[in-house]
Amino acid sequence: SQQGEEDPQALSIQEGENATMNCSYKTSINNLQWYRQNSGRGLVHLILIRSNEREKHSGRLRVTLDTSKKSSSLLITASRAADTASYFCATGSAGYSSASKIIFGSGTRLSIRP
Amino acid sequence: DTAVSQTPKYLVTQMGNDKSIKCEQNLGHDTMYWYKQDSKKFLKIMFSYNNKELIINETVPNRFSPKSPDKAHLNLHINSLELGDSAVYFCASSTGGTMNTEAFFGQGTRLTVV
Repeated sequence: SQQGEEDPQALSIQEGENATMNCSYKTSINNLQWYRQNSGRGLVHLILIRSNEREKHSGRLRVTLDTSKKSSSLLITASRAADTASYFCATGSAGYSSASKIIFGSGTRLSIRP
Repeated sequence: DTAVSQTPKYLVTQMGNDKSIKCEQNLGHDTMYWYKQDSKKFLKIMFSYNNKELIINETVPNRFSPKSPDKAHLNLHINSLELGDSAVYFCASSTGGTMNTEAFFGQGTRLTVV
C-alpha cells in the first residue's frame, strides 16, 4: 500500500516563482526523503530529513517536517525550467533485521512555464 | 561509473514468456530493492534484500522471483508474463541503516508485454 500522498498531483507555475509540494504519510518514520524524477529517467535523491528535525535546506530546496501532523513540504525557490519533473516523497523506516523500507508517495508533476 | 545499473533498458516480449532483469550496484550497499512504476507513475516496492536475504516481499505474485547471488546483485526473474506486468521496473540500493536510508536508483527497465 502507498504510504505517502503528495498534494497537489500536478502543479504548473511561471519560471522564477516558488513551488510548494506537500506530502502526508500514515505510519511512524525514521526519516522522510524527497526525490525527483525526470521523464523517462530514474529517481534522484534530493534531500533527507530525520524524524527529529523540523526543517532542512539544500540550495534552493527547503523541506519541513511535522511529525505530529505526519506531513512534510518541499519548497523550491526561484524555479527554473530545469526543475520540471515529478517529485516524490518517501518515508524511511526500519524493518526486520535492520533492513530499511523506503515507501514512496504518488508524486507531484511540476511544470515550469518559461 | 554508474552506481546502480540495470539491464536491459527496454524489454518487449510476448505474454507467457519468461524474462529476467539484472541489477548491479557498486556502492557497497547492504540493501537492494525492486520497485514497479505503473503508467500513473505510482512507485510500489516489490522486494527488499539485505545482504542477500529476502527481507520484504510486498504481496507480489510468485511469478516474480528475485535472486541475489551476492549483495551487489539483485536480479528479477518473471515467469509467464502477463499484460498487466507492463511497467517500468526500478532497482535501487541503500545502506540499510535506520537513520540514513537514501536510495540510489537505476535508470529503469521499461517492460512491455504484448
